[in-house]
This record gives sequence, C-alpha cells and structure tokens, in this order.
Amino acid sequence: GENVEQHPSTLSVQEGDSAVIKCTYSDSASNYFPWYKQELGKRPQLIIDIRSNVGEKKDQRIAVTLNKTAKHFSLHITETQPEDSAVYFCAASNSGNTPLVFGKGTRLSVIA
Amino acid sequence: EPEVTQTPSHQVTQMGQEVILRCVPISNHLYFYWYRQILGQKVEFLVSFYNNEISEKSEIFDDQFSVERPDGSNFTLKIRSTKLEDSAMYFCASRGLAGGPGELFFGEGSRLTVL
Repeated sequence: GENVEQHPSTLSVQEGDSAVIKCTYSDSASNYFPWYKQELGKRPQLIIDIRSNVGEKKDQRIAVTLNKTAKHFSLHITETQPEDSAVYFCAASNSGNTPLVFGKGTRLSVIA
Repeated sequence: EPEVTQTPSHQVTQMGQEVILRCVPISNHLYFYWYRQILGQKVEFLVSFYNNEISEKSEIFDDQFSVERPDGSNFTLKIRSTKLEDSAMYFCASRGLAGGPGELFFGEGSRLTVL
C-alpha cells in the first residue's frame, strides 16, 4: 500500500520568512495530494490540494508543487505569520475510494 | 457551513469496556471514514464505508472494531473490548465526490481515554 514520508518533523522560522515542507510517496498510482493544517486540539483542515495533472498550485501565501516522476510534493508558505504555527500533514491517495494516507506531520513554529 | 459532528467529545472508560463513538457526516456525502490519532502522532486510517458496507480497512481495524450506519444520518464506531492502546483521538470524516478523490471533511474528534 501507499507510504508517505514527510520532512522535517519540526521547523522553526522567523516571522516573514518562508517555510518548506516536503513529502514523498511510494504508490505511483496516487494522484491526489492534499495538505492539512492541525492546530492544537483541533481537527485537521484542508489548506490546499493538488492533483496529478497539475505541477503547481498557489493560493495566496500557500503553494504546493508536485513532481510525479520523483514522487514528491512540497508545501511552501511565504511571509509566515504567527498564526501559521500548527502541525501540517501531507497525504496521498489514488482515484476512487482509496483512503488518504497521511505523513507523520511537521510542527511549524513561527517566531515573532 | 455544513460540518461533520461527533459525540462524545471525550470519553473515559475502563479497559475491557465497550465504547461507541458517534458521527453525523455531512448530509449529502457518500463516503465515510474513521481515523485515529494517538497523541502527538500522525493521523492513521481505520476504515472506510460506502454504500452501506465497509470498502476498506487497515490492520488496526481488527475484530474488536465495527462500524455501522444504523439510519440515514449516524455513522458509529464500536470498540468491543477496549485496550489501553486504544487511547487516542478518533476522527470521523466524510467526502462527497463519487468516483474520485476529493476533500475530506473531519469532525472535531472524540478523545478516548482507556484506564
């Protein structure tokens, strides 16, 4: 089955700097790659997703890139703010009912 | 905005007791899931449910676990005889798109503590 690796496990950045989180996946059939943000004690919430027919997607300060050949995808957050501090999870699945498989998460701390 | 709702938010139980966690998915969604998250760890898939039957389950979802959709709205997870290692946050999730992956909407979670 699918295996998703995520790095780094923790990341500290100064407010205003960029943050990059990287994930690799194992199943070449995977074609859907969402990123979820989880604040302490809260539910995971989707912040951005990308499908395999797209190489990059951007939404304001957040962008995701996908390299299907190398089987990796990355989350980029620019101009980080303290409210970006949270745990971020990448995930992957293929078409149909296949459940999302999550990475282990990255705890991002944005220091004011 | 429609939400997935879960009850209880927190349950404390003794080892060996049965627990039922309840979820009300978003009303027009078709696919339902249970995930769990041990404190500080990743979100792990337990089971998916579609068209009134289990479509996939993980190794975690052994004979002690069962799911049910007893009516048109509720989706329940039962743990027959809880173990200490079942202590975790259990998230229900649902999605609506047929025939393809799409956004998974999570409930707020039910924190299970087994003593």
